[in-house]
Amino acid sequence: RKEVEQDPGPFNVPEGATVAFNCTYSNSASQSFFWYRQDCRKEPKLLMSVYSSGNEDGRFTAQLNRASQYISLLIRDSKLSDSATYLCVAEKDDKIIFGKGTRLHILP
Amino acid sequence: DARVTQTPRHKVTEMGQEVTMRCQPILGHNTVFWYRQTMMQGLELLAYFRNRAPLDDSGMPKDRFSAEMPDATLATLKIQPSEPRDSAVYFCASGLGGGYSTEAFFGQGTRLTVV
Repeated sequence: RKEVEQDPGPFNVPEGATVAFNCTYSNSASQSFFWYRQDCRKEPKLLMSVYSSGNEDGRFTAQLNRASQYISLLIRDSKLSDSATYLCVAEKDDKIIFGKGTRLHILP
Repeated sequence: DARVTQTPRHKVTEMGQEVTMRCQPILGHNTVFWYRQTMMQGLELLAYFRNRAPLDDSGMPKDRFSAEMPDATLATLKIQPSEPRDSAVYFCASGLGGGYSTEAFFGQGTRLTVV
């Protein structure tokens, strides 16, 4: 079983819609959680950290449920530029483990 | 603008040849990661170092792969002998570990093709 699992998608979503991704992690001792974004043929880049209380950054909202060991990302009012692969990340003792990513296509 | 630098960006080699990939982490970062990305497996952690000491290389095939940090400004990943199944994009990333922000800053990757 992979340590971090995500639905690979693709999610094909019309511009302006709201889309949500979930991710589960297997190591209950994981300490920190993140969402990264990766554009085609580019390197991954940090999108946002995920806190237990939930956190928001503009149109993006991240949630963490430690009891169920899942993380979510919500994108509101999606833009064409949101098209990318979104990678869920769990970290323990600086060991950063990535999920395989969820591909998102925003349709005009 | 501080960034992680990887060389070469692209490498095509024949099966059986030695491949060395290099990474210059961001100055001041104490943690360096090597990842391999393929369509099938996604981003796999091969090894990571803190303060140049290897912390975990359990993700790396030991018989042919080796990772080192000769000094704080250089990390290397070597494959000897290379095989077609090693074809992938290899990313190096660096960060401030040990209780600080664990954001990983990635280099642009080395796209390796073994024929």
